[in-house]
Amino acid sequence: EVQLVESGGVVVQPGGSLRLSCAASGFTFDDYTMHWVRQTPGKGLEWVSLINWNGGETYYVDSVKGRFTISRDNSKNSLYLQMDSLTIEDTALYYCVRDKGGSYYDYWGQGTLVTVSS
Amino acid sequence: EIVLTQSPDFQSVTPKEKVTITCRASQSIGRSLHWYQQKPDQSPKLLIKSASQSFSGVPSRFSGSGSGTDFTLTINSLEAEDAATYYCQQSSSLPLTFGQGTRLEIK
Repeated sequence: EVQLVESGGVVVQPGGSLRLSCAASGFTFDDYTMHWVRQTPGKGLEWVSLINWNGGETYYVDSVKGRFTISRDNSKNSLYLQMDSLTIEDTALYYCVRDKGGSYYDYWGQGTLVTVSS
Repeated sequence: EIVLTQSPDFQSVTPKEKVTITCRASQSIGRSLHWYQQKPDQSPKLLIKSASQSFSGVPSRFSGSGSGTDFTLTINSLEAEDAATYYCQQSSSLPLTFGQGTRLEIK
Protein backbone atom coordinates (compact mmCIF):
# COMPACT_ATOMS: atom_id res chain seq x y z
CA GLU A 1 0.00 0.00 0.00
CA VAL A 2 1.36 3.39 -1.02
CA GLN A 3 1.79 5.73 1.92
CA LEU A 4 3.08 9.28 2.14
CA VAL A 5 3.46 10.65 5.65
CA GLU A 6 4.40 14.28 6.13
CA SER A 7 5.87 15.76 9.28
CA GLY A 8 7.54 18.90 10.53
CA GLY A 9 4.71 21.39 10.44
CA VAL A 10 4.66 23.76 13.41
CA VAL A 11 3.95 27.36 14.37
CA VAL A 12 6.88 29.57 13.38
CA GLN A 13 7.50 33.31 13.45
CA PRO A 14 7.79 35.39 10.29
CA GLY A 15 11.35 35.22 8.99
CA GLY A 16 11.88 31.81 10.52
CA SER A 17 12.83 28.49 8.97
CA LEU A 18 11.33 25.04 8.89
CA ARG A 19 12.06 21.69 7.29
CA LEU A 20 9.21 19.46 6.20
CA SER A 21 9.73 15.75 5.66
CA CYS A 22 7.75 13.13 3.81
CA ALA A 23 8.30 9.42 4.41
CA ALA A 24 7.28 7.28 1.46
CA SER A 25 6.52 3.58 1.51
CA GLY A 26 4.77 0.93 -0.54
CA PHE A 27 6.41 1.80 -3.86
CA THR A 28 9.81 2.21 -5.48
CA PHE A 29 10.48 5.78 -4.42
CA ASP A 30 13.25 6.57 -6.86
CA ASP A 31 11.00 5.67 -9.80
CA TYR A 32 8.92 8.79 -9.24
CA THR A 33 9.05 12.54 -9.49
CA MET A 34 7.68 14.05 -6.27
CA HIS A 35 5.98 17.35 -5.51
CA TRP A 36 4.90 19.58 -2.66
CA VAL A 37 1.44 21.14 -2.95
CA ARG A 38 -0.07 23.47 -0.35
CA GLN A 39 -3.62 24.41 0.51
CA THR A 40 -5.09 27.42 2.21
CA PRO A 41 -8.75 28.35 2.73
CA GLY A 42 -8.23 31.56 0.84
CA LYS A 43 -6.05 30.48 -2.10
CA GLY A 44 -7.11 26.87 -2.49
CA LEU A 45 -4.57 24.41 -3.86
CA GLU A 46 -1.19 25.73 -4.97
CA TRP A 47 1.69 23.78 -6.47
CA VAL A 48 4.91 24.63 -4.65
CA SER A 49 7.78 22.57 -6.03
CA LEU A 50 8.83 19.39 -7.80
CA ILE A 51 11.92 17.21 -7.89
CA ASN A 52 12.73 14.54 -10.41
CA TRP A 53 13.69 11.00 -9.53
CA ASN A 54 17.36 11.64 -8.78
CA GLY A 55 17.17 15.23 -7.58
CA GLY A 56 18.82 16.53 -10.72
CA GLU A 57 15.89 18.74 -11.66
CA THR A 58 13.94 20.98 -9.34
CA TYR A 59 11.32 23.62 -10.00
CA TYR A 60 9.47 26.12 -7.83
CA VAL A 61 6.53 28.46 -7.96
CA ASP A 62 7.78 32.04 -8.19
CA SER A 63 6.50 33.00 -4.73
CA VAL A 64 8.92 30.59 -3.02
CA LYS A 65 11.95 30.75 -5.33
CA GLY A 66 15.08 31.58 -3.40
CA ARG A 67 13.41 30.77 -0.08
CA PHE A 68 12.39 27.10 -0.35
CA THR A 69 14.57 24.14 -1.32
CA ILE A 70 13.20 20.74 -2.28
CA SER A 71 15.39 17.66 -1.89
CA ARG A 72 15.16 13.92 -1.57
CA ASP A 73 17.11 11.02 -0.13
CA ASN A 74 16.29 7.92 -2.13
CA SER A 75 18.23 5.72 0.31
CA LYS A 76 15.75 6.79 2.99
CA ASN A 77 12.65 6.97 0.75
CA SER A 78 12.21 10.53 1.90
CA LEU A 79 11.27 13.91 0.44
CA TYR A 80 12.07 17.22 2.09
CA LEU A 81 11.17 20.89 1.85
CA GLN A 82 13.49 23.40 3.49
CA MET A 83 11.56 26.60 4.05
CA ASP A 84 13.45 29.80 4.88
CA SER A 85 12.43 33.43 5.29
CA LEU A 86 8.87 32.37 5.98
CA THR A 87 6.05 34.88 5.63
CA ILE A 88 2.45 34.87 6.77
CA GLU A 89 1.46 33.96 3.20
CA ASP A 90 3.25 30.62 3.60
CA THR A 91 0.71 29.51 6.19
CA ALA A 92 -0.91 26.42 4.71
CA LEU A 93 -1.41 22.68 4.85
CA TYR A 94 1.51 21.17 2.92
CA TYR A 95 0.98 17.94 1.02
CA CYS A 96 3.59 15.55 -0.29
CA VAL A 97 2.31 14.10 -3.58
CA ARG A 98 3.42 11.45 -6.03
CA ASP A 99 3.61 12.30 -9.72
CA LYS A 100 1.90 9.60 -11.74
CA GLY A 101 4.05 10.44 -14.74
CA GLY A 102 2.25 13.32 -16.38
CA SER A 103 2.57 15.89 -13.60
CA TYR A 104 -0.67 14.83 -12.01
CA TYR A 105 -1.00 13.19 -8.65
CA ASP A 106 -2.18 9.69 -7.87
CA TYR A 107 -1.27 9.67 -4.17
CA TRP A 108 -1.38 12.43 -1.56
CA GLY A 109 -0.20 12.46 2.02
CA GLN A 110 -2.46 13.66 4.81
CA GLY A 111 -0.67 17.00 4.98
CA THR A 112 1.31 18.84 7.62
CA LEU A 113 0.20 22.26 8.85
CA VAL A 114 2.59 25.18 8.76
CA THR A 115 1.47 28.31 10.58
CA VAL A 116 3.54 31.46 10.29
CA SER A 117 2.52 33.86 13.00
CA SER A 118 4.05 36.29 15.45
CA GLU B 1 1.02 31.30 -15.75
CA ILE B 2 -2.04 29.41 -16.94
CA VAL B 3 -5.15 30.40 -15.00
CA LEU B 4 -7.91 27.83 -14.58
CA THR B 5 -11.43 29.13 -13.90
CA GLN B 6 -14.08 26.72 -12.69
CA SER B 7 -17.81 27.23 -12.75
CA PRO B 8 -19.89 27.21 -10.76
CA ASP B 9 -18.16 27.92 -7.44
CA PHE B 10 -20.99 26.20 -5.57
CA GLN B 11 -23.90 24.01 -6.51
CA SER B 12 -26.64 22.43 -4.43
CA VAL B 13 -27.98 19.30 -6.08
CA THR B 14 -30.31 16.40 -5.37
CA PRO B 15 -29.36 12.72 -5.50
CA LYS B 16 -29.67 11.07 -8.94
CA GLU B 17 -29.26 14.46 -10.62
CA LYS B 18 -26.68 14.93 -13.37
CA VAL B 19 -23.98 17.49 -12.55
CA THR B 20 -21.64 19.32 -14.90
CA ILE B 21 -18.63 21.31 -13.72
CA THR B 22 -16.59 23.29 -16.21
CA CYS B 23 -12.96 24.36 -16.18
CA ARG B 24 -11.67 26.98 -18.59
CA ALA B 25 -7.96 27.54 -19.18
CA SER B 26 -6.50 30.95 -20.00
CA GLN B 27 -4.62 29.41 -22.93
CA SER B 28 -4.69 26.13 -24.80
CA ILE B 29 -3.41 23.18 -22.76
CA GLY B 30 -4.26 20.31 -25.10
CA ARG B 31 -5.57 17.51 -22.91
CA SER B 32 -3.26 18.16 -19.97
CA LEU B 33 -6.15 18.63 -17.56
CA HIS B 34 -6.94 16.51 -14.51
CA TRP B 35 -9.76 16.41 -11.97
CA TYR B 36 -9.65 15.76 -8.23
CA GLN B 37 -12.29 15.26 -5.54
CA GLN B 38 -11.70 16.47 -1.99
CA LYS B 39 -14.08 15.54 0.80
CA PRO B 40 -14.04 17.45 4.11
CA ASP B 41 -10.94 16.72 6.21
CA GLN B 42 -9.48 14.49 3.51
CA SER B 43 -6.71 14.87 0.96
CA PRO B 44 -7.68 15.30 -2.69
CA LYS B 45 -8.18 12.16 -4.76
CA LEU B 46 -7.55 11.79 -8.48
CA LEU B 47 -10.72 11.18 -10.52
CA ILE B 48 -9.86 11.90 -14.14
CA LYS B 49 -6.49 12.24 -15.86
CA SER B 50 -5.65 13.73 -19.23
CA ALA B 51 -9.09 15.26 -19.66
CA SER B 52 -11.08 12.06 -20.09
CA GLN B 53 -9.28 9.01 -18.69
CA SER B 54 -10.83 7.65 -15.53
CA PHE B 55 -8.37 6.80 -12.79
CA SER B 56 -8.35 3.30 -11.39
CA GLY B 57 -11.19 2.55 -8.99
CA VAL B 58 -13.21 5.68 -9.77
CA PRO B 59 -16.96 4.99 -10.16
CA SER B 60 -18.18 5.02 -13.75
CA ARG B 61 -20.62 7.86 -13.06
CA PHE B 62 -17.63 10.25 -13.20
CA SER B 63 -16.47 11.26 -16.67
CA GLY B 64 -14.42 14.01 -18.23
CA SER B 65 -14.27 15.66 -21.62
CA GLY B 66 -12.74 18.56 -23.47
CA SER B 67 -9.51 19.79 -24.98
CA GLY B 68 -7.74 23.05 -25.64
CA THR B 69 -9.26 25.56 -23.23
CA ASP B 70 -12.64 24.12 -22.24
CA PHE B 71 -13.13 21.05 -20.10
CA THR B 72 -16.02 19.38 -18.31
CA LEU B 73 -16.40 17.00 -15.40
CA THR B 74 -19.73 15.20 -15.44
CA ILE B 75 -21.25 13.22 -12.61
CA ASN B 76 -24.15 11.07 -13.72
CA SER B 77 -26.77 10.03 -11.18
CA LEU B 78 -25.26 11.88 -8.23
CA GLU B 79 -24.95 10.00 -4.96
CA ALA B 80 -24.85 11.42 -1.43
CA GLU B 81 -21.20 10.39 -1.09
CA ASP B 82 -20.29 12.76 -3.95
CA ALA B 83 -20.63 15.78 -1.65
CA ALA B 84 -17.18 17.31 -1.98
CA THR B 85 -15.12 20.04 -3.58
CA TYR B 86 -13.86 19.33 -7.08
CA TYR B 87 -10.68 20.82 -8.54
CA CYS B 88 -9.18 20.86 -12.00
CA GLN B 89 -5.40 21.01 -12.49
CA GLN B 90 -3.27 21.64 -15.58
CA SER B 91 0.06 20.02 -16.33
CA SER B 92 0.76 21.69 -19.66
CA SER B 93 3.35 24.10 -18.29
CA LEU B 94 5.01 25.27 -15.12
CA PRO B 95 3.89 26.54 -12.76
CA LEU B 96 1.34 23.77 -12.41
CA THR B 97 -1.95 25.37 -11.46
CA PHE B 98 -5.34 24.44 -10.03
CA GLY B 99 -8.80 25.83 -10.46
CA GLN B 100 -10.40 27.54 -7.49
CA GLY B 101 -12.67 24.60 -6.77
CA THR B 102 -16.37 23.80 -7.08
CA ARG B 103 -18.21 22.79 -3.93
CA LEU B 104 -21.09 20.37 -4.37
CA GLU B 105 -23.73 20.21 -1.68
CA ILE B 106 -26.23 17.37 -1.68
CA LYS B 107 -29.75 18.46 -0.76
